[in-house]
Amino acid sequence: EPEVTQTPSHQVTQMGQEVILRCVPISNHLYFYWYRQILGQKVEFLVSFYNNEISEKSEIFDDQFSVERPDGSNFTLKIRSTKLEDSAMYFCASLVAAEQYFGPGTRLTVT
Amino acid sequence: GQQVMQIPQYQHVQEGEDFTTYCNSSTTLSNIQWYKQRPGGHPVFLIQLVKSGEVKKQKRLTFQFGEAKKNSSLHITATQTTDVGTYFCAVPLSGNTGKLIFGQGTTLQVKP
Repeated sequence: EPEVTQTPSHQVTQMGQEVILRCVPISNHLYFYWYRQILGQKVEFLVSFYNNEISEKSEIFDDQFSVERPDGSNFTLKIRSTKLEDSAMYFCASLVAAEQYFGPGTRLTVT
Repeated sequence: GQQVMQIPQYQHVQEGEDFTTYCNSSTTLSNIQWYKQRPGGHPVFLIQLVKSGEVKKQKRLTFQFGEAKKNSSLHITATQTTDVGTYFCAVPLSGNTGKLIFGQGTTLQVKP
């Protein structure tokens, strides 16, 4: 069964550093999303992406965040200057027929 | 913005007991989805409810959408240890392709 993949599974970075989280959505899906989940809390929407542009973003998704689809398969989330409070699980998801398929997530730890 | 309240936050049951989690919205929903997240895992889609008063079953899981489309519930009959995890309701905004707003989740622990 096709699945969303994410790399790395765990990223440790120092405050102020840039990180890029990578996702490979399911190949025939057209809508892509990033969510984050701070440990023990609910899943929070960050951004949605369609037709090579952002279709919606949350208030969490400020100027420090950006997304790209650099080629036909990868979908990336960049955090320019990480803060301690960016520590969380980051999930990529892609959509077909109203169902969002989530990747396994990247655990980001900012020290 | 849109919020969905989910209760309880935690539920500990003995294996074989039933379990229910509830979601409530102050506004009428077009539809509602349910996801399961195993410990250390990612959310996995379970079901979408669209119609007022809709009831859907998946083996021991029963999902209901309220008549007013403002609340929903997930009921598990005769829980098993494999049911352990966090169950989230989620509301898609801006149509089915829009962002999902998740409830706070109910974490289910099942004692064997």
